[in-house]
Parts: sequence; structure tokens; C-alpha cells
Amino acid sequence: QVQLQESGPGLVKPSGTLSLTCAVSGGSISSSNWWTWIRQPPGKGLEWIGEIFHSGSTKYNPSLKSRVTISVDKSKNQFSLNLTSVTAADTAAYYCARFLYRLTTTPVAFDIWGQGTMVTVSS
Amino acid sequence: EIVLTQSPATLSLSPGERATLSCRTSQSVSTYLAWYQQKPGQAPRLLIYDASNRASGIPARFSGSGSGTDFTLTISSLEPEDFAVYYCQQRSNWPPYTFGQGTKLEIK
Repeated sequence: QVQLQESGPGLVKPSGTLSLTCAVSGGSISSSNWWTWIRQPPGKGLEWIGEIFHSGSTKYNPSLKSRVTISVDKSKNQFSLNLTSVTAADTAAYYCARFLYRLTTTPVAFDIWGQGTMVTVSS
Repeated sequence: EIVLTQSPATLSLSPGERATLSCRTSQSVSTYLAWYQQKPGQAPRLLIYDASNRASGIPARFSGSGSGTDFTLTISSLEPEDFAVYYCQQRSNWPPYTFGQGTKLEIK
């Protein structure tokens, strides 16, 4: 059974870079699925940040595109998020999730989620 | 970007009652809509995909319907563990995938 686990600093200074990693266990990151980052400010809703395929192809939320980079490390079976020039508005729980594709080409939904990691932007 | 509007914001019901949650999209998403449940301190859990298909392990009391711009999540008889926040999400037009603002289902 595939499981996801986020890791990274819980506190980032304003104007700094937020860096998180999601470790994939119980399955290969080189499957036909896309791997995603989603965030949730305290008491608010969910915001999709972006996704990556094992080939390195990426798609980003236009609202964050200028500050976001998602990368994959197949040798470690993990993917990562970098968000630059952070402000207090980037304070949120950050989740990694799998976007499931059936039969390689049929998209489904975000079926597996990590437990989430809280990141606070503060000096 | 497709905007999803959920109603009501809060729904107060008792165990055993029927819950009906609504999600409206700003443009047609066909049936490319999913529903998630989130409990405090936990990650969201996939309930329904493609408007009406239950995800693996989801009890039959959860059902989804709709197409185009209007969707409904129904919980036929509420169990104590069903009180949570529910989100809808579209995959019709991306990036970005977008979510509704959530409906909080609370115990009356």
C-alpha cells in the first residue's frame, strides 16, 4: 500500500525559501500517476500548488508559478517542493498527494495523501 | 480558473438524519468532480470521484450525483464519524485543479 510522508522545516523566515520533501513508500514513483503538492492555510480551504510526473514534467498553479519549483528524485523515490520569496500568506499545512491515473491514461482524483506538515513563515 | 461554490457553509444535523451537500461550478465540468472528507488534524480523504463513483473502502451511505455545473453529495443516514468538513474538487480544466471552500457538517 502506497504511503506518503512529508518532511522539512516547520519555520521559514520571510523572503526565504520553503523546501519540503515527500517520500513515497510501498510503491514506485515511476508509476503512471502524478505527484502533487496541496496546501491549506489555518482554518481555510485547499489550494493546489502543482504536480510532477516521474519524467520530470510539471504543471503549476498560475497564481504561484513564478515562485514554485517541484522536482523528482527517482533514485530516492521522492519528490520535492521549493517555494521562494515566502511571506506570512504562505503559512499553511502542506500536503503531498498522489493523483491517481487508472490504466495509465484515465485520471481519477487525489486518492492518497500524506499526513501533512505545518509550515509557519515568521521572523 | 473554475470556481467551485459549496452550500451551505455549515450544516447542522443529528445522527441518523440524511445530509445533502451542494457544489456548483462556474462552468461545466461534465462529471469530472470529486468529493473529499476532512476531519480535524487529518488529511482529506477521497470519497467520490467522477461525480458518482465511490472510492475504495467508502461506505454505501455516501453517494454523489450531478453533471455539468450542479453536484450533490448525499449521506443517507449520518453516523457519528461523518461529522467533518467536505470539499468538492474539479479536474475538468487544469491547471489549476480547484476546490470548493468546504461545507462543515456539525452535530445538532
